[in-house]
Amino acid sequence: EVQLVESGGGLVQPGGSLRLSCAASGFTFSSYWMHWVRQDPGKGLVWVSHINIDGSNTDYADSVKGRFTISRDNAKNTLYLQMNSLRAEDTAIYYCASQVAGAGVWGQGTLVTVSS
Amino acid sequence: EIVLTQSPGTLSLSPGERATLSCRASQSVSSSYLAWYQQKPGQAPRLLIYGASSRATGIPDRFSGSGSGTDFTLSISRLEPEDFAVYYCQRYGSSPWAFGQGTKVEIK
Repeated sequence: EVQLVESGGGLVQPGGSLRLSCAASGFTFSSYWMHWVRQDPGKGLVWVSHINIDGSNTDYADSVKGRFTISRDNAKNTLYLQMNSLRAEDTAIYYCASQVAGAGVWGQGTLVTVSS
Repeated sequence: EIVLTQSPGTLSLSPGERATLSCRASQSVSSSYLAWYQQKPGQAPRLLIYGASSRATGIPDRFSGSGSGTDFTLSISRLEPEDFAVYYCQRYGSSPWAFGQGTKVEIK
């Protein structure tokens, strides 16, 4: 079964850091681009970042550029999102996702709350 | 960057009725890269349609997708109680991914 499982969310103070992880199984992780998407509570879906198969190509939404870093470990089948200088407006559910054989695959999400 | 606009924002219908949801793109989208998702409260988005018209695994045939270019449609032939939810269209295949703002299908 194709599966993505996020972890690492939690409560963090403004200005703090958090690292999210996404464990992949059931498909050849190293063959697919990976993405992070977030959703403010009660709001729509917003693309955050992508990484290509070997990590040489990354991109970010303007709202997180310079603060967030996406990376992957193909040996561990794991995707990461390092989030620094967190702001209240970064509060959201963060999903990892990919297109596997043309069909979207999403994790269940991990909640990040930035508050003092 | 491409912008996806969904309409209507809210659709109020009764079980058994037909639902028609629209997704309009600010520039042409390859049909290969247009998807529809369903999301219920507290749950992750669930893939319904990919490639504009292909149903994902396990999706009932009352869900269908159509369209090309800048205009795409998700149809639900006969609404079941479990179909009342928020629906999003998505352009994938190139980055950044783009999402519509969502259409809420609510019980009338």
